[in-house]
Amino acid sequence: EPEVTQTPSHQVTQMGQEVILRCVPISNHLYFYWYRQILGQKVEFLVSFYNNEISEKSEIFDDQFSVERPDGSNFTLKIRSTKLEDSAMYFCASNDHGGGYTFGSGTRLTVV
Amino acid sequence: KQEVTQIPAALSVPEGENLVLNCSFTDSAIYNLQWFRQDPGKGLTSLLLIQSSQREQTSGRLNASLDKSSGRSTLYIAASQPGDSATYLCAVRPSTSGTYKYIFGTGTRLKVLA
Repeated sequence: EPEVTQTPSHQVTQMGQEVILRCVPISNHLYFYWYRQILGQKVEFLVSFYNNEISEKSEIFDDQFSVERPDGSNFTLKIRSTKLEDSAMYFCASNDHGGGYTFGSGTRLTVV
Repeated sequence: KQEVTQIPAALSVPEGENLVLNCSFTDSAIYNLQWFRQDPGKGLTSLLLIQSSQREQTSGRLNASLDKSSGRSTLYIAASQPGDSATYLCAVRPSTSGTYKYIFGTGTRLKVLA
């Protein structure tokens, strides 16, 4: 069964550093997403991406965040200057039009 | 603003029981609803997807129903097993034009005792 692949599975970074989280969505999907889940809290929407541009973003997705699809397979989330409160699980997902999501297994980001 | 609530927050049952997990949402204007399973520290596994025009979906021992007008969905698990122990998440996709995001509930943490 097709999978969404995320790397790394766990990243530890110092406050103020930049991090890039990587995702390989399912190859024939057209819509890509990032979500995050702070420990013990709800899964929260960050951003959706379609046709090489952001189609929707939440209020969490401020200027510190950016997304990119640098080639035909990868989809990245960059956090420019990490804060302690950015510590969370970050999930990538993809779908085709009208279908349900397929999620990756997540990247646990720890900011120290 | 769409809000999704799941009751109960936690549930512990003996193996073999049939059980029902509840999900309610405040705005009935949804495109679809998806149930997920999340194991501790892991990703989200899709269990069932119900489109807004559907009343229920079944997969193996799982059955999900949708009553859009009353803002409710239930996930029925038959003959529960210890391997079913996980957190179950309900997520709705609003039917607002141009949005493809899901809004998640807080989940029901299920423990099935052997």
